[in-house]
Amino acid sequence: DAGVIQSPRHEVTEMGQEVTLRCKPISGHNSLFWYRQTMMRGLELLIYFNNNVPIDDSGMPEDRFSAKMPNASFSTLKIQPSEPRDSAVYFCASRSGQGLEAFFGQGTRLTVV
Amino acid sequence: TQLLEQSPQFLSIQEGENLTVYCNSSSVFSSLQWYRQEPGEGPVLLVTVVTGGEVKKLKRLTFQFGDARKDSSLHITAAQPGDTGLYLCAATSGTYKYIFGTGTRLKVLA
Repeated sequence: DAGVIQSPRHEVTEMGQEVTLRCKPISGHNSLFWYRQTMMRGLELLIYFNNNVPIDDSGMPEDRFSAKMPNASFSTLKIQPSEPRDSAVYFCASRSGQGLEAFFGQGTRLTVV
Repeated sequence: TQLLEQSPQFLSIQEGENLTVYCNSSSVFSSLQWYRQEPGEGPVLLVTVVTGGEVKKLKRLTFQFGDARKDSSLHITAAQPGDTGLYLCAATSGTYKYIFGTGTRLKVLA
């Protein structure tokens, strides 16, 4: 298995633009997580999906952030409009139903200028 | 709000030295994990501990879960440059939600 695949690896965008981050979880994993990592706040959980259903989105910072999981093999995290303070590395992770280990993707480094 | 404090925040040591990293909280957790993250990559799981007082070894790494399940330590014997990275602890009270610690950034000099 190729692991969790995220795209793009790097994104530079201007303030006010829409940004869409993509994630393909490991096949067979039914839990998917989106995290944001910054130097100041570390790794923060944004949203958790189980069997494609959003279970906990309490970590989503504002209405500008939205996430979808239309099927078991694809999820998106969208920021509209983007702001400089959204600059961070965004990670997607997946986990199987019975396992404790979360497998992380390589992340998307977002820079909003 | 549950918090996981890691110490030290930064550590720079010479190859061959021993070191211990700590992960502390005032909350009780059902399980705790340690991850290592290298630059440009996502965190990779090293170990999961679930029983108070549990000790696990992974080559030169020794992990311990506190008796009260509120804290943990990671000890590295004879550190090598390949051990360089960001070490993160993560813990849960029994749900899907793992809280990540503040991280310890380790640099091992050759």
